[in-house]
Formats: sequence, structure tokens, C-alpha cells
Amino acid sequence: DVKVTQSSRYLVKRTGEKVFLECVQDMDHENMFWYRQDPGLGLRLIYFSYDVKMKEKGDIPEGYSVSREKKERFSLILESASTNQTSMYLCASKGQSLNQPQHFGDGTRLSIL
Amino acid sequence: EDQVTQSPEALRLQEGESSSLNCSYTVSGLRGLFWYRQDPGKGPEFLFTLYSAGEEKEKERLKATLTKKESFLHITAPKPEDSATYLCASEGAAGNKLTFGGGTRVLVKP
Repeated sequence: DVKVTQSSRYLVKRTGEKVFLECVQDMDHENMFWYRQDPGLGLRLIYFSYDVKMKEKGDIPEGYSVSREKKERFSLILESASTNQTSMYLCASKGQSLNQPQHFGDGTRLSIL
Repeated sequence: EDQVTQSPEALRLQEGESSSLNCSYTVSGLRGLFWYRQDPGKGPEFLFTLYSAGEEKEKERLKATLTKKESFLHITAPKPEDSATYLCASEGAAGNKLTFGGGTRVLVKP
């Protein structure tokens, strides 16, 4: 079974802080993704990576950056946290073969005060 | 732009009362239509992938079907443990990126 592990289930930070969310997968997947999930807005893609050191913007990249230094690890960075970034953040990974599903971690519920 | 719309937003069922969830999609070059189950406070759990119109897949009380414009998730004789939010998502010709619908919250009462 694919295991996607997000480092924190709950996180509380202050406005203006730099925030790091970590995600690790154990299936040697090439592709990794960061989403945020908000009531009424569904899941929205922030960034994804198809290889080490490679990244592409998703639908809502503003205010975020990412880092992929190793294949198994994909980090989401909030450069200067703001209250509108309070959300549930979900990481996913996917193999390279066509039509493979994305497998998700259990999420990090982030509150920015 | 790819679009996925799910209906209804919420569904209350009595245990044993079968029903269907709808997922309408507009996608350029559909590569796959995915169904996920999400429990409160958890990440989405993969259920099915459908690739082409006419395809069907089953798992326990769930059956997913696909046409050229819609997918349905049929829940047969549901149990309270089937209560969850069900999400569908499409992957188009661009590959890799999923477009999610808003989900259907299902509550099955004993």
C-alpha cells in the first residue's frame, strides 16, 4: 500500500511567520502534489512536482513556494503566512504510468492567527 | 478549462436505501475519471478509476459507471459505515493534474 505521510496533523502559526509543511511518500513516485481544501471550494492544486528539483504552478500558487530536493519528500512553504491561508493542506503522490491514481496523506489542518 | 460538477451536495439515506451520486464532467481528452472517499479529518481514499464510456467497476456496495459526459456512483443497500464525502475527479489530456468536483456528503442513518 502507498503511504503518504504529512509531518503534522494540526499546526497553529502567526501572521507573517514562514511556515513549512512536509510530505514524504514511500512508493518511489515521480509525481507529488500539494492541494488546499476549503468548504465550498473543494480541492485546489497549489503546486506539483514531476521530478526532483522540478516544479510547476497549479491553480493557486500565490503566496506559496515548494521544494523537492529528494524524490520522496515534497515541502510546501508559506513565505509569510496570512489568515487567508488557514486551511486543510493535502499532499498526494502518483506514479509515472498513465492513469494511475493520486494517493493522499491525511492532511495538515493549518490555522494562521 | 476542465470542469467537474457533483450532485447532490448532500444525501441522507436510511440504512438499506440504495441511491446514486452524479458526477458531470467537461474534459479535453479524458484520461481517467477517479472516485475517492473522504472521511472527516482524513485525506481522500482512492476507490476507482474509469477510463472509457461504458466501463463499470465494483467494490463491496459501491459501483461506478461512466458515460461520455457523466459518471455515477451507485450505493447499494448502504450501511452507516458508508457515510463519508465522495469526490470525483477527472484527468485530462494535459496529464497528471486532477480537476475535482465539490463532493457529495453521504449520511446513512441506521
